Amino acid sequence: EVQLLESGGGLVQPGGSLRLSCSTSGFSFYIYVMGWVRQAPGKGLEWVSSISGSGGSADYADSVKGRFTISRDNSKNTLYLQMNSLRGEDTAVYYCAKTGGSGNYNFDYWGQGTLVTVSS
Amino acid sequence: QFVLTQSPSASASLGASVKLTCTLSSGHSSYAIAWHQQQPEKGPRYLMKLNSDGSHSKGDGIPDRFSGSSSGAERYLTISSLQSEDEADYYCQTWGTGIRVVFGGGTKLTVL
Repeated sequence: EVQLLESGGGLVQPGGSLRLSCSTSGFSFYIYVMGWVRQAPGKGLEWVSSISGSGGSADYADSVKGRFTISRDNSKNTLYLQMNSLRGEDTAVYYCAKTGGSGNYNFDYWGQGTLVTVSS
Repeated sequence: QFVLTQSPSASASLGASVKLTCTLSSGHSSYAIAWHQQQPEKGPRYLMKLNSDGSHSKGDGIPDRFSGSSSGAERYLTISSLQSEDEADYYCQTWGTGIRVVFGGGTKLTVL
């Protein structure tokens, strides 16, 4: 059974940093592109970042480029999101998601989400 | 710019059918998409991948009541025999250059 479990969310002041983790099981983690998606209160889903299976390639939404860094540890089956210079508009539930593989980048499994609140 | 367009809201009666639409922006009519469901206060759930020819593959445990179809740049999600638990937000999603992902704005479905 595929499982994705996010952690690391919480309350942080503007300008602060936070690192999210997504622990996975039930599939060959190293094969799949993984991603982070967020949802601000009352808003829709917003893609944040994705990373290739090897970790050698990553992409970011313009809203987070230069502030957030996605990474993965394939030996630990874990995905990370390092968030720096946080702003109020980064307040959201952050979801970890797995893609379908074989060039299919739709997300086919989701975590339960972790809440990040940026406020003074 | 690659955009997916969805109507903000839809409604249908209990037991009836509803067809939700996701429109791909110009030049992207051959792209496959995914449909996701988000029930109130829950995380998203993958429903299916939908190809441009209308073929689709559903996620684990997705009932037969959910089906997909395509026409040109339009991608459809049809839910038949509507149940109260189908009241949710529905998002379409695809990918653009490389591993860059695009979401539609979502459709809020109300079951009357």
